[in-house]
Amino acid sequence: DGGITQSPKYLFRKEGQNVTLSCEQNLNHDAMYWYRQDPGQGLRLIYYSQIVNDFQKGDIAEGYSVSREKKESFPLTVTSAQKNPTAFYLCASSIRQGNTEAFFGQGTRLTVV
Amino acid sequence: DQQVKQNSPSLSVQEGRISILNCDYTNSMFDYFLWYKKYPAEGPTFLISISSIKDKNEDGRFTVFLNKSAKHLSLHIVPSQPGDSAVYFCAASPTFSGNTPLVFGKGTRLSVIA
Repeated sequence: DGGITQSPKYLFRKEGQNVTLSCEQNLNHDAMYWYRQDPGQGLRLIYYSQIVNDFQKGDIAEGYSVSREKKESFPLTVTSAQKNPTAFYLCASSIRQGNTEAFFGQGTRLTVV
Repeated sequence: DQQVKQNSPSLSVQEGRISILNCDYTNSMFDYFLWYKKYPAEGPTFLISISSIKDKNEDGRFTVFLNKSAKHLSLHIVPSQPGDSAVYFCAASPTFSGNTPLVFGKGTRLSVIA
């Protein structure tokens, strides 16, 4: 059945290391997004992509990088430049951008140790 | 600056009563609004939406009201059930979005007390 899959569910990283979070969707959606959730902060947009090989920075892109080489995949790399990487990361997709609901994955909890 | 505001971080309601969650927005270009429900350690799930051509949309126990002049929307849950306890996010989007994804508020934590 169709959906968005994020892996892993929990991830631990040593300070100074880069780590990549996976996001795959089989909904044939054009647009994909990465959000970060911190307590009391709601959902903040990191990066988004409207089509393959194209992506734009969101509100808090510093310390993150993405790629969109395939329509169904939108991995997020948390680099060592991200000052406060410990958070809950959510990937989403929509059939197009704007005026439509986005569907979310189950999230990845990243903890820096 | 926050374009979508949920000014109540939390709300407690007794089971069977009405829950009213509020959301305000500042961007007059927003014309499509959504509510999401989120349980801890899970992704948000879409609940209900409303287009600016309407002022009310109903789906079972959930009703969303839109007041465009006040730039305000609200989600009513009647009757409230313990399983409704979650964080609710309001989101907004302009129709001619250009490069603008959904904009989310900070959420309201609803606790339904049995």
